[in-house]
Amino acid sequence: GQQLNQSPQSMFIQEGEDVSMNCTSSSIFNTWLWYKQDPGEGPVLLIALYKAGELTSNGRLTAQFGITRKDSFLNISASIPSDVGIYFCAGQPLANEKLTFGTGTRLTIIP
Amino acid sequence: GAVVSQHPSRVICKSGTSVKIECRSLDFQATTMFWYRQFPKQSLMLMATSNEGSKATYEQGVEKDKFLINHASLTLSTLTVTSAHPEDSSFYICSARDPGWEKLFFGSGTQLSVL
Repeated sequence: GQQLNQSPQSMFIQEGEDVSMNCTSSSIFNTWLWYKQDPGEGPVLLIALYKAGELTSNGRLTAQFGITRKDSFLNISASIPSDVGIYFCAGQPLANEKLTFGTGTRLTIIP
Repeated sequence: GAVVSQHPSRVICKSGTSVKIECRSLDFQATTMFWYRQFPKQSLMLMATSNEGSKATYEQGVEKDKFLINHASLTLSTLTVTSAHPEDSSFYICSARDPGWEKLFFGSGTQLSVL
């Protein structure tokens, strides 16, 4: 099945650093979602974006819906140990249609 | 937020046996649930869409006779892996759409290991 291109594939950062990751698609989506997955758990929704150009924050997390509708970005400011995990973007072409997931970004915090 | 419960969280079985995984929406009714499979260090791949009261819709390449889906009520969908083989070992995750939130919520996943 189709997957979204997500980069970087992995990140190794120090606590307190800011993080940026993005997701690109060859097709247009009307909804972009960002999830975090901890080992052995299901994904947890972080941020949902519904409009091109939309910028939405959830605490230290900020995500943007690209103006072309083919990309989205997630930023994490002042990272903390509990930010460790895998971050997935997901795109939805229309409401109530199935999600397409990105390839994931694995975030590791170096002590 | 809405809660989706998945059970069991982990199962180990012998090759050739069948395994049933349950997905329940705890505080909302879900006419549609989704089943995903995730191999180690990979993304979630949609296997099938479970529709309450009707047949599931399977993604290309997913064997419907091997992965039986039953969505008999508005709060429960089950995935049965029939005659499991080692290559079926994977992390299986369900999700359900809360119509009130128009968002998908995921279960905690089931790690299947077939010996």
